[in-house]
Amino acid sequence: DAGVIQSPRHEVTEMGQEVTLRCKPISGHNSLFWYRQTMMRGLELLIYFNNNVPIDDSGMPEDRFSAKMPNASFSTLKIQPSEPRDSAVYFCASSSWTGDSPLHFGNGTRLTVT
Amino acid sequence: SQQGEEDPQALSIQEGENATMNCSYKTSINNLQWYRQNSGRGLVHLILIRSNEREKHSGRLRVTLDTSKKSSSLLITASRAADTASYFCATDVSGYALNFGKGTSLLVTP
Repeated sequence: DAGVIQSPRHEVTEMGQEVTLRCKPISGHNSLFWYRQTMMRGLELLIYFNNNVPIDDSGMPEDRFSAKMPNASFSTLKIQPSEPRDSAVYFCASSSWTGDSPLHFGNGTRLTVT
Repeated sequence: SQQGEEDPQALSIQEGENATMNCSYKTSINNLQWYRQNSGRGLVHLILIRSNEREKHSGRLRVTLDTSKKSSSLLITASRAADTASYFCATDVSGYALNFGKGTSLLVTP
């Protein structure tokens, strides 16, 4: 079990650029989550997919953020255009959500927007 | 939205001592989970306690839940330097997603 794989681990970009974060969930998991972690706000849920379908995107900050899950083994989170306030660690997590299933987190992507 | 709030924000103890962290939350929950995060890594699940349970053990971990007070505690007994990490409580209120607190930073010194 390779765990949840995120790429890249670090991303430094200039304001206004497009950023794409990638996630490969654990095989067999049917739920995928994107979280954002900052010192000020802690961990915030951005979006939740179940069986590749977005179920709850109420945490997506604004239209500059979009997420896709084209198949069960891949998801992307895109920010376009990026802003300095988007700087954070972005985590992807997956689970075989049955109500009591734990989340399995990737090691995150540390995004710095200058 | 943030649901759980851990206390204290930071805790420093010596190896061999016990560490207790508390979590308070605001609304009814299905279950409450505790996670650990080492520096630069993702969160790792430690233990889950359901809303109808009061206490649960796993190795050196003991979790209690008081739904009348909307609070939980995590006790780590006989702490080790390797326990140094941030600890988060997470509540399941929706049936599918977890809301996390801001965490307790634990430092265990040899």
